[in-house]
This record gives sequence, structure tokens and C-alpha cells, in this order.
Amino acid sequence: AQSVTQPDIHITVSEGASLELRCNYSYGATPYLFWYVQSPGQGLQLLLKYFSGDTLVQGIKGFEAEFKRSQSSFNLRKPSVHWSDAAEYFCAIRRNTPLVFGKGTRLSVIA
Amino acid sequence: KAGVTQTPRYLIKTRGQQVTLSCSPISGHRSVSWYQQTPGQGLQFLFEYFSETQRNKGNFPGRFSGRQFSNSRSEMNVSTLELGDSALYLCASSLEGTGTDNSPLHFGNGTRLTVT
Repeated sequence: AQSVTQPDIHITVSEGASLELRCNYSYGATPYLFWYVQSPGQGLQLLLKYFSGDTLVQGIKGFEAEFKRSQSSFNLRKPSVHWSDAAEYFCAIRRNTPLVFGKGTRLSVIA
Repeated sequence: KAGVTQTPRYLIKTRGQQVTLSCSPISGHRSVSWYQQTPGQGLQFLFEYFSETQRNKGNFPGRFSGRQFSNSRSEMNVSTLELGDSALYLCASSLEGTGTDNSPLHFGNGTRLTVT
């Protein structure tokens, strides 16, 4: 069965610092990969997606993610975090199946 | 283009009652999926509908049901509510859905159900 692991439950970074959120997946082939963000009381907003091709994908709000097949990873990065980035981030996969989510990483941003 | 709309935003129900939640997908999207989000279990897939047919179903009891109408709008129903059904219920739409479509899911803001 496919699964997604986000090893970090909670991360705190200073405003302006760089960010990397980790995501590992388990699947027999290369799935479609997604990162979503959820602000308190809101639904999920798509940040970026990977289907094939260039393994470095750019998303909205200055985020990017890199797919590494050898590590079954799809880590999310941002060079400089803003206070408004504080939210919960979910990695998700699917390939001919419903979307499967990780447990999420809560990001706190301090001044 | 309007996003996914879910109504109501908040609901408070008593154990044993039933509840119906509504979802209007993005115009042109034919697939609607439902997810339950709780602090303990995270985001869990409930079911997916495409062209009024249930295409996939998650591992939930039969008390959870849904349907999709010809205009792609969807409803989900939970009967005989239990305390553990308290959750944020999220609806998402996509163009074609699982298996035939690599376009992403677009989510609504959810319905917060509290069972007392």
C-alpha cells in the first residue's frame, strides 16, 4: 500500500531563514506528487505538483520542491520564510488511486 | 472562476442524529472527492464520485454515504452520528478524477462538524 511520511511534526524557523520540509513516500512506481498548505480554519491550497520531467518544480508563494527517485523523497523548500508562511503543510501522492496524505508538518515562524 | 464551495461551514449535532453536507465543485470539474480530517488520523479518504457514480470508497463504515448529482454537485450523509465523527470534512474537485487525470484536486474550506 502506498504511504507518505513527513518526519517532522512541527518546525519553527525565524523569519527570513530558509526552510526545508521533508517528505518520503512508499509506492511501487513513481507517483504523482503534491504539496498542499492549510491555514487555520481553511481548506488545502495546492503549492506545487510533480508528474514527470524536470525534478525541480516551482510552485506558488516562492516554494519549490525536488523529486529524488533514489530516495523516494519530495522535499519542499523556500529560501526565505515570511511570517505569513506559518501554516500546516501536507505532502500527498497518487497514481490511479485517491490522494494519500502525510500527517502534515506544522510550521511556526518567529521574528 | 469560483472555487469549491462547501456548506454549511459549521455544524453542531447530537449523537444519534444524521447530517448532510453539501459541496459544489469548480465549474467544469466532474469529479468530487470527500476527505475527513481529524487531529489524530489526519486526512482520510472517504469516497470519490464521477459522473454520478461512486468510483472509489475509503475504509469507513456504511453510516457514511454520498451521492453526486447531474450538475456535479455532491452531498455526503452521516447517519447515527458518533462522537468520533467530529471532524473537518473537506470536499475536493478535479477535472476527471482518479486514474484518468493527473490534474490536482482543488479543495473547499470544509465543514466543521461537532458531535456532542
